[in-house]
Amino acid sequence: NAGVTQTPKFQVLKTGQSMTLQCAQDMNHNSMYWYRQDPGMGLRLIYYSASEGTTDKGEVPNGYNVSRLNKREFSLRLESAAPSQTSVYFCASSDGGLIKNQPQHFGDGTRLSIL
Amino acid sequence: AQSVTQPDIHITVSEGASLELRCNYSYGATPYLFWYVQSPGQGLQLLLKYFSGDTLVQGIKGFEAEFKRSQSSFNLRKPSVHWSDAAEYFCAVGPYSGNTPLVFGKGTRLSVIA
Repeated sequence: NAGVTQTPKFQVLKTGQSMTLQCAQDMNHNSMYWYRQDPGMGLRLIYYSASEGTTDKGEVPNGYNVSRLNKREFSLRLESAAPSQTSVYFCASSDGGLIKNQPQHFGDGTRLSIL
Repeated sequence: AQSVTQPDIHITVSEGASLELRCNYSYGATPYLFWYVQSPGQGLQLLLKYFSGDTLVQGIKGFEAEFKRSQSSFNLRKPSVHWSDAAEYFCAVGPYSGNTPLVFGKGTRLSVIA
């Protein structure tokens, strides 16, 4: 029972490089989310997808794009990485869509450093 | 707008002592409330949740939380802390309905000393 799988687990980029963070869930969940976690800031929502085919901006979307490839997969792309995007990125999923507010299940995170 | 406040950034307790982590929320209706735990280097794991009914909810790992509407609080408790409970704890709130995601507090880091 894998749950939510994120790849890669670690990555170092140079400023200006692009990268896609991958996320896949095997729980048949409708909703998926991308967060970043920075010291003292808690979790901040970047983008979310309430259901397949839809995406919405969260609290800190600037500098990111997302793709809900299918029901299982939700990717996060940094087109031109900046040092301010150094963070730990978490993907999460939940059943029932946002309206029912089911618990979110989290991946183990991707630790991204931008030099 | 809904918000979650965890007043304590860092708490240190002795192993075997009791624990209470505070969480206050701001929302106009009855919220859905959650507590998550994050061990070092890991993702967040759900400890417990409150949707309705009994205001004292039991979770995993011996944790419980009490919803107090009058105080807009959802404090997490454990009667006897174990060294393995050292982690970061997040409170989160969601609306009863509407198309908005959970809102997380900034977290409380728990240290356990011998």
